[in-house]
Amino acid sequence: NAGVTQTPKFQVLKTGQSMTLQCAQDMNHEYMSWYRQDPGMGLRLIHYSVGAGITDQGEVPNGYNVSRSTTEDFPLRLLSAAPSQTSVYFCASSPGQGVYEQYFGPGTRLTVT
Amino acid sequence: LAKTTQPISMDSYEGQEVNITCSHNNIATNDYITWYQQFPSQGPRFIIQGYKTKVTNEVASLFIPADRKSSTLSLPRVSLSDTAVYYCLVGLSNYQLIWGAGTKLIIKP
Repeated sequence: NAGVTQTPKFQVLKTGQSMTLQCAQDMNHEYMSWYRQDPGMGLRLIHYSVGAGITDQGEVPNGYNVSRSTTEDFPLRLLSAAPSQTSVYFCASSPGQGVYEQYFGPGTRLTVT
Repeated sequence: LAKTTQPISMDSYEGQEVNITCSHNNIATNDYITWYQQFPSQGPRFIIQGYKTKVTNEVASLFIPADRKSSTLSLPRVSLSDTAVYYCLVGLSNYQLIWGAGTKLIIKP
């Protein structure tokens, strides 16, 4: 099993550009989520999904969109990149929502200039 | 409103036992505590999880006192490879997740 994979590993965007961060898991997990990690702030939840076709907002959803058309994939779309979105983005999955171990991807380091 | 607080950083030496405490007020009986470990340029990795008293696995122990206002991650006989950031996470019964800001643990030879 590859676990949770994320692409790209690094990305530089100019303000106003859009892009999609890819996330895939091969563990047949129902729950997937996106976090951003900024220095000294730990992990903040952007969006999550409890199953294909179902998504919901987390703590910091503004400026981001998600969709979940399959169990395996959960892409995160930046609509119009801003310097405040410079961060490391992690995708995670778990068998369900709640008291389950979360499996994290390796992260995408995004810089917006 | 639940909130988690952990020390920003800690130092210790190889072979020592390290205890990292997380304060979390206002958590309910069925809220759970989880600890994750993160190395540079990697995603967090699950260490241990529990609701009350003591839980032990092959790498760590988790102590949760009766008042549940804090929890302590205990790493026995640490090595240089335990240098990492450790995150406390409280999972509430409404599925809300409260992450701590992380504790940077540095192990010295």
